[in-house]
Amino acid sequence: DAGVTQSPTHLIKTRGQQVTLRCSPKSGHDTVSWYQQALGQGPQFIFQYYEEEERQRGNFPDRFSGHQFPNYSSELNVNALLLGDSALYLCASSSSGQSQETQYFGPGTRLLVL
Amino acid sequence: AQSVAQPEDQVNVAEGNPLTVKCTYSVSGNPYLFWYVQYPNRGLQFLLKYITGDNLVKGSYGFEAEFNKSQTSFHLKKPSALVSDSALYFCAVRDPYAYNYGQNFVFGPGTRLSVLP
Repeated sequence: DAGVTQSPTHLIKTRGQQVTLRCSPKSGHDTVSWYQQALGQGPQFIFQYYEEEERQRGNFPDRFSGHQFPNYSSELNVNALLLGDSALYLCASSSSGQSQETQYFGPGTRLLVL
Repeated sequence: AQSVAQPEDQVNVAEGNPLTVKCTYSVSGNPYLFWYVQYPNRGLQFLLKYITGDNLVKGSYGFEAEFNKSQTSFHLKKPSALVSDSALYFCAVRDPYAYNYGQNFVFGPGTRLSVLP
């Protein structure tokens, strides 16, 4: 049973560029959430997708956008990259997105913005 | 607003001794509480959660946590620590009422556990 997978594992970009990160949820899961984890900090919630729609959003600017596909996989897009966007980006999946459901995390994509 | 505090940045314990990693929270309603562990260069791995019922929750790898509503705490414990338990531990809270209005997990800053042989 495959867990949550993310690609790529590492990415280096320069300021002003755009980046797309990808996530495939755990088998049987239909809800995907994205988190940003800066070095030495806990993860911060970016947004959650369910039924191909953004259902929840944390305190992140509009430069951060996403998409969910019919197969439940998801993309996170970040435009106009800033140095401060350098972080580990984590994808988490859950079943039906109910509040009591456990979220299972992928290994993350480490983004470095130069 | 939801918040989580992990008052210790670092916890050191000798192998075989009991360990405790502390977590306190603040939510407006009844919380859902979770513990995750992160090994170097890895994502977060689920350990256990409290939703309702018995205040003592047992999880993976021999870990357990006790929900204490009066102290708003959810400390992670293990009777006998292993060197392989050395990792970064995160406590997370979710307010089920606020969840319906767009708020998801709030994570603590993490506690680094070092188990010394």
